[in-house]
Amino acid sequence: DGGITQSPKYLFRKEGQNVTLSCEQNLNHDAMYWYRQDPGQGLRLIYYSQIVNDFQKGDIAEGYSVSREKKESFPLTVTSAQKNPTAFYLCASSTHTLNTEAFFGQGTRLTVV
Amino acid sequence: RKEVEQDPGPFNVPEGATVAFNCTYSNSASQSFFWYRQDCRKEPKLLMSVYSSGNEDGRFTAQLNRASQYISLLIRDSKLSDSATYLCVVTGNYGQNFVFGPGTRLSVLP
Repeated sequence: DGGITQSPKYLFRKEGQNVTLSCEQNLNHDAMYWYRQDPGQGLRLIYYSQIVNDFQKGDIAEGYSVSREKKESFPLTVTSAQKNPTAFYLCASSTHTLNTEAFFGQGTRLTVV
Repeated sequence: RKEVEQDPGPFNVPEGATVAFNCTYSNSASQSFFWYRQDCRKEPKLLMSVYSSGNEDGRFTAQLNRASQYISLLIRDSKLSDSATYLCVVTGNYGQNFVFGPGTRLSVLP
């Protein structure tokens, strides 16, 4: 079945450590996105990529980095520069066709301990 | 002004009630519009796309007014299983990027 997979589902990180969240899709979508959601809040865009080997900063990119070496994969690294990384991270993908929706992975819940 | 704004909620309604959610967006260049549903601690899932002519899917009706930059969602005959947060989504400044509203929480009570 086609879909978008995030791993791990839960992640604990010590302060000062970098951590990488995985996002893989087999939907043949060109565009991929990373969002952050804090409790009781909406989704905020971290980074997005419209095509392989290209990505752009979203609204809250500071303290994060991404790569897009393959169409299927868009990993997100949460660096030690991110001051408040505890959140729910959601990866999504879509085509470039108008009026087509974004599909989401199940999310990774990151907690800094 | 936020790009996408929604009724703050929460909405607490009895089973069988009709409930309406409102959403406004600031980017007049937005092209695509959606309602998503998000259950607690889960990922958002598409409820329905919203078209200029309006569209209906069973108990759910969505309307779009481009001139007023306004989107609505109507749920008729509410069920307990409709309890969730409803997110208004529009395409934003980055082409097909998706901009999410803060969501409106709905609780349907027995």
